[in-house]
Amino acid sequence: SQTIHQWPATLVQPVGSPLSLECTVEGTSNPNLYWYRQAAGRGLQLLFYSVGIGQISSEVPQNLSASRPQDRQFILSSKKLLLSDSGFYLCAWCAGAGNEKLFFGSGTQLSVL
Amino acid sequence: GENVEQHPSTLSVQEGDSAVIKCTYSDSASNYFPWYKQELGKGPQLIIDIRSNVGEKKDQRIAVTLNKTAKHFSLHITETQPEDSAVYFCAASMGYNNDMRFGAGTRLTVKP
Repeated sequence: SQTIHQWPATLVQPVGSPLSLECTVEGTSNPNLYWYRQAAGRGLQLLFYSVGIGQISSEVPQNLSASRPQDRQFILSSKKLLLSDSGFYLCAWCAGAGNEKLFFGSGTQLSVL
Repeated sequence: GENVEQHPSTLSVQEGDSAVIKCTYSDSASNYFPWYKQELGKGPQLIIDIRSNVGEKKDQRIAVTLNKTAKHFSLHITETQPEDSAVYFCAASMGYNNDMRFGAGTRLTVKP
């Protein structure tokens, strides 16, 4: 069966520091991968998605970037965190175009102080 | 683009009662409607979904209904239990890689 791993679960970082969140998927190949952000008490905002290695699409302009160095690995990064980057970050995967079932990781609670 | 509205934002019911959460969508091309349950500090979990060629789908105590003409769909939970307490999200998609849009969520509290 397929599983998605996301880490760390919580992270406290000072303003201006770098960020690296990692997500891996097991049990499937060539998945679509997604990064979402969820502000406290709010819905889910799509940040990035990837349909293959090295292919990244950004949904909103921001202080963050994403990379997909391997088929089942998706990384969210920042060179310098802002206070507004605080939030709950979720990685997700689906089996590809036409298969809309989206499965989420357990999330990373990021606090920028 | 697609816009999904979800109501109510909070819902409190007594254990054993039914709970209904409603969503509307704007784009008639949307054809896939999932529902997610999110417990505190965890990622959303897919609990049920429905495609536009079906009007109703049921899985034990949960069911989803879809009215394509009115462009709204609803989640029904019967015989609620305290463990049903969570935030529930609806979503709508046209089947493209990046087009799934989520409602703002409903915080359901089931009182014992």
